[in-house]
Amino acid sequence: RKEVEQDPGPFNVPEGATVAFNCTYSNSASQSFFWYRQDCRKEPKLLMSVYSSGNEDGRFTAQLNRASQYISLLIRDSKLSDSATYLCVVNSVGTYKYIFGTGTRLKVLA
Amino acid sequence: EAGVTQSPTHLIKTRGQQATLRCSPISGHTSVYWYQQALGLGLQFLLWYDEGEERNRGNFPPRFSGRQFPNYSSELNVNALELEDSALYLCASSLANGLRNIQYFGAGTRLSVL
Repeated sequence: RKEVEQDPGPFNVPEGATVAFNCTYSNSASQSFFWYRQDCRKEPKLLMSVYSSGNEDGRFTAQLNRASQYISLLIRDSKLSDSATYLCVVNSVGTYKYIFGTGTRLKVLA
Repeated sequence: EAGVTQSPTHLIKTRGQQATLRCSPISGHTSVYWYQQALGLGLQFLLWYDEGEERNRGNFPPRFSGRQFPNYSSELNVNALELEDSALYLCASSLANGLRNIQYFGAGTRLSVL
């Protein structure tokens, strides 16, 4: 089983739609979680950190469910510019290395 | 403030040659990480340097090596290149490592092995 798993998509949604991605992780001792965004052939850029209490940044909401070992990302009112690959990242306790999911591809359609 | 910079942007080599990739971290960052992203695959952790020392390495053969200099910049060396080494190599930097320290990425070096 992969340490971090994501549905690769693509998720094709119309502008204005709400879309949610989940990401599961296998190491129950993991403590830090992030969502990064990667545009085609570009470097990953931090979208948001994920905290236990959940956090929101504008149209984006991230949640952590430790009991079920998954994190989620909700995007409301999707824009064309949201089209990208969204990477789930888990910081592995003890080794301090980021474990990346393979990403979920989102296409927002006009 | 300058971000993470990598050079060269593109590198073309032939099988069996050696490649050297360079990375300059964000000013004040002491940790540097290297990742490989092959086409259609996720980012695979290669190496982590902090304060000039190799702290951790991923599941890659010894022909992948590197170092970190006193100014915290870093080099990744790939010896005896193989076709499957063709990938985007990303460098990231962070403040002295901690669980919540954010990693910031450079634009990458695209290595093509012919």
